[in-house]
Amino acid sequence: QVQLQESGPGLVKPSETLSLTCAVSDYSISSGYYWGWIRQPPGKGLEWIGSIYHSGSTYYNPSLKSRVTISVDTSKNQFSLKLSSVTAADTAMYYCARTDSSSWKRPFDYWGQGTLVTVSS
Amino acid sequence: SYVLTQPPSVSVAPGQTARITCGGYNIGSKSVHWYQQKPGQAPVLVVYDDSERPSGIPERFSGSNSGNTATLTISRVEAGDEADYYCHVWDSSSDHCVFGGGTKLTVL
Repeated sequence: QVQLQESGPGLVKPSETLSLTCAVSDYSISSGYYWGWIRQPPGKGLEWIGSIYHSGSTYYNPSLKSRVTISVDTSKNQFSLKLSSVTAADTAMYYCARTDSSSWKRPFDYWGQGTLVTVSS
Repeated sequence: SYVLTQPPSVSVAPGQTARITCGGYNIGSKSVHWYQQKPGQAPVLVVYDDSERPSGIPERFSGSNSGNTATLTISRVEAGDEADYYCHVWDSSSDHCVFGGGTKLTVL
């Protein structure tokens, strides 16, 4: 059973960079599959941020692409999200998840529990 | 960019059938996936590739997709099915993932 766990600061100041990490257990990232970040503002719907393969190949939501960097560290079996120049609109629950096969086009079958990030001074 | 439209809410009595729609231009040509999200929890995949069920998902959950509408059908609805439901596709024209706005299922 694949397990994903998000971690990072729960509070980020406006204009700063949000940084989160997703630790994966019971499965090696290097074995395949795409790994993604999805966020959900309070009381709103899901928004895909981007996805990454163990090779480092990435796909980003065009609406966030200029501010997003997703990276992978296979030695630590984790992947990370950086979102720059944050505003209050970036306040959300951030989830990491895995696709159900080695394609970025597939659904997410395993999800972390999510971590709430608030942007406020 | 590609837009998926879901009704904000659907209500159904226990034991009845709930149908949640997801509208999008020519969505029938895409693979549609559905997630269930209960309050305070992460989403759970309940249907993928229009009509396939992951292991552990009851047969009461089914899906269909044709034309401009995909539908998640929940038969013999139970109180525990009360949740938000989201549809999801990969838009090949923009090469990115799109979610619908979500539908809140209320069991009366």
